[in-house]
Amino acid sequence: NAGVMQNPRHLVRRRGQEARLRCSPMKGHSHVYWYRQLPEEGLKFMVYLQKENIIDESGMPKERFSAEFPKEGPSILRIQQVVRGDSAAYFCASSLGQGGAEQYFGPGTRLTVT
Amino acid sequence: QKEVEQNSGPLSVPEGAIASLNCTYSDRGSQSFFWYRQYSGKSPELIMFIYSNGDKEDGRFTAQLNKASQYVSLLIRDSQPSDSATYLCAFFDRGSTLGRLYFGRGTQLTVWP
Repeated sequence: NAGVMQNPRHLVRRRGQEARLRCSPMKGHSHVYWYRQLPEEGLKFMVYLQKENIIDESGMPKERFSAEFPKEGPSILRIQQVVRGDSAAYFCASSLGQGGAEQYFGPGTRLTVT
Repeated sequence: QKEVEQNSGPLSVPEGAIASLNCTYSDRGSQSFFWYRQYSGKSPELIMFIYSNGDKEDGRFTAQLNKASQYVSLLIRDSQPSDSATYLCAFFDRGSTLGRLYFGRGTQLTVWP
């Protein structure tokens, strides 16, 4: 099954630590999107990347959050100095094409900040 | 501000009935529409997409799009208890030339046996 893969599935961090979330897109897909889902809320777009390029980061908080999709390896969403409000489910999606192509989601990473 | 409104629910239907889920969107430039199903504690699963006005059928699911009214719906025929989930409506704005989807907050559906 060459679906979207994310790891870790669950991540616990203390306040002030760094969280690093990984996403490998579906085979053949080169477009990666990160979304965040807070409890009882909808999915919110964070960032859209292609290999070595950030295409749209308009949904990313201005501080502490960064994302990359290197030429080799998975996409990484990094959260520095985590706070309790960062506790959420973080989903990665990938698509074959851009601009409205169907996006397929990975299983998500549940981040808990204690 | 691009927004998606879904009938808030929760929606409860008996097994075998038709479940109707509705969604309105704010942006006339929107061109692509998606329905995702999300079971509790799981990730969204793409179940339908529609780009043109009219109906699109796939098994027990029918998506209906009316761009003039800025309205998209999902009908589930012969509903089964396994259809119990939250259904998310999403759209893409082709005018933006970027890739983000705008999601509604979802409608929780319960199908009781």
